[in-house]
Amino acid sequence: GENVEQHPSTLSVQEGDSAVIKCTYSDSASNYFPWYKQELGKGPQLIIDIRSNVGEKKDQRIAVTLNKTAKHFSLHITETQPEDSAVYFCAASIQAGTALIFGKGTTLSVSS
Amino acid sequence: DADVTQTPRNRITKTGKRIMLECSQTKGHDRMYWYRQDPGLGLRLIYYSFDVKDINKGEISDGYSVSRQAQAKFSLSLESAIPNQTALYFCATSDFSDRGRGEQFFGPGTRLTVL
Repeated sequence: GENVEQHPSTLSVQEGDSAVIKCTYSDSASNYFPWYKQELGKGPQLIIDIRSNVGEKKDQRIAVTLNKTAKHFSLHITETQPEDSAVYFCAASIQAGTALIFGKGTTLSVSS
Repeated sequence: DADVTQTPRNRITKTGKRIMLECSQTKGHDRMYWYRQDPGLGLRLIYYSFDVKDINKGEISDGYSVSRQAQAKFSLSLESAIPNQTALYFCATSDFSDRGRGEQFFGPGTRLTVL
């Protein structure tokens, strides 16, 4: 079955710096790669996703890149703000709308 | 997301007790999921259902059972709770990717403690 590895487990940055979180996956059949943000006491919320026919996707300060050959994808957050502090999860599945396999999460702390 | 509700939000129970966690959604989605979250382990899939007559096991289904009572309701049961089932449980829903983005929407979670 699919296995998703996520690094680092914790990340501390200064406000305004960039943050990068990396994930690798094992199943070459995976084609959908979402990123979720979880704030304290809440359920995860989708922040961006990418499908295998696209190499990069950007939404304001957030971008995701995908390398299908190497089976890895990354989340990039630029100009970080304190409100970006949260736990971030990557995930993979065969297609959107199917069961997800999650990475173990990255706790991002942005200090002002 | 207010469209996905979970009850109870917190529950403390004892070893050996039967417990049911409930999930309801008003998003009109056919697909529903139960995940378990443990510190440092991320979210792991317990069961999922693509429609009322379809139930599938996930990564960690042992010790759990589910019931899809209607399109909008998906319940998770622990027949005989044990302490290592202490965790945060999330319900999620999604549409088919052909009809929408296929994004999964999560409920607020149920914190379960088994003593």
